[in-house]
Amino acid sequence: GAGVSQTPSNKVTEKGKYVELRCDPISGHTALYWYRQSLGQGPEFLIYFQGTGAADDSGLPNDRFFAVRPEGSVSTLKIQRTERGDSAVYLCASSLIGSTGELFFGEGSRLTVL
Amino acid sequence: SQQGEEDPQALSIQEGENATMNCSYKTSINNLQWYRQNSGRGLVHLILIRSNEREKHSGRLRVTLDTSKKSSSLLITASRAADTASYFCATWEGAQKLVFGQGTRLTINP
Repeated sequence: GAGVSQTPSNKVTEKGKYVELRCDPISGHTALYWYRQSLGQGPEFLIYFQGTGAADDSGLPNDRFFAVRPEGSVSTLKIQRTERGDSAVYLCASSLIGSTGELFFGEGSRLTVL
Repeated sequence: SQQGEEDPQALSIQEGENATMNCSYKTSINNLQWYRQNSGRGLVHLILIRSNEREKHSGRLRVTLDTSKKSSSLLITASRAADTASYFCATWEGAQKLVFGQGTRLTINP
């Protein structure tokens, strides 16, 4: 596709449920990033994929959060046993591998945990 | 961790005026970037300035970088209502993590 695509755009779930958020990066971009953004804050780094492997997952807050990218393209962020504090916008971005240039962001998935 | 910190946190000006936002960062950098985010949308890259550059222009945007003070500024000239958004500076921490500041919320009043 022309840009980074994220689904769903909005997700409302109940505390304790499992959630999956999907990111489809720009074709040819082998670097993929997940960020989390709370209201009024800047994006907070979660994880970086280089191809299929997670090269840096230092931003994942705890073991309830997990992300995969099995074929080096689409990525899924998985959140187990959701808590109200997980409510945020989850942003995905992609870039050319090895670049320290700009990131291309999707529109985000807004997660609300009731 | 937040590498960059923007100042002010919020700025409200009249249409046609210039808007200046500042960013400070902590460690040495290869480049510094500015992004814009409209309410409820994703981030859009505006401009990148390399560590060996002192000033860069793009349309109505002017970015300066002072590596000795570890600071950058973004100037938007002749502001328009459509410039209303949040603006973030970002720097690379290593080669794998782009770290953003808290942002400046800019409001342009007609």
